[in-house]
Amino acid sequence: DGGITQSPKYLFRKEGQNVTLSCEQNLNHDAMYWYRQDPGQGLRLIYYSQIVNDFQKGDIAEGYSVSREKKESFPLTVTSAQKNPTAFYLCASTKATYRASGNTIYFGEGSWLTVV
Amino acid sequence: GIQVEQSPPDLILQEGANSTLRCNFSDSVNNLQWFHQNPWGQLINLFYIPSGTKQNGRLSATTVATERYSLLYISSSQTTDSGVYFCAGGGAGGTSYGKLTFGQGTILTVHP
Repeated sequence: DGGITQSPKYLFRKEGQNVTLSCEQNLNHDAMYWYRQDPGQGLRLIYYSQIVNDFQKGDIAEGYSVSREKKESFPLTVTSAQKNPTAFYLCASTKATYRASGNTIYFGEGSWLTVV
Repeated sequence: GIQVEQSPPDLILQEGANSTLRCNFSDSVNNLQWFHQNPWGQLINLFYIPSGTKQNGRLSATTVATERYSLLYISSSQTTDSGVYFCAGGGAGGTSYGKLTFGQGTILTVHP
């Protein structure tokens, strides 16, 4: 079945370490996104990408980095510069067309990151 | 950027009851969506509704774009409706469909 796969589901990070969260989609979508969710809060946009080898900062990009080497993959690295990385991270994708048919956004199941 | 306010923050219902969730926007949006997040964190798109009314089974949504608010109606609620309901707004076209500003959510608990 088509969908978005995130891994790992749970990740523990030590202070000062970089960690990478994986996101893979087989929906043939052009656009991919990373969101962060803190307990009891809504989602906030970290980075997004419309095409391969291109990505843009969202509202809270500081301390994060991404790459888009393949259409299917959009990994997120949480760097040591991110002062409060403990959160739930959600990857998403859309068709990214200008037709209304591209408006449905699909989310992965998320990754829980905890700093220990 | 736009601000999104949702009300009520929490809602507790008995199975079979009806409910209305509200979402207010600080500015006009071309893209308004409702989502349900289950207790395991999975986020599901319920409606894309920048204006007008849509229905899907026991759920329906209405957006009055000129007055910058949207309503989500849940009828005959079931325990499986429990979770967090988010509304989110943004632009339309290209990556704008996914570049969303989310509200804080309404936590719905349905008791049997």
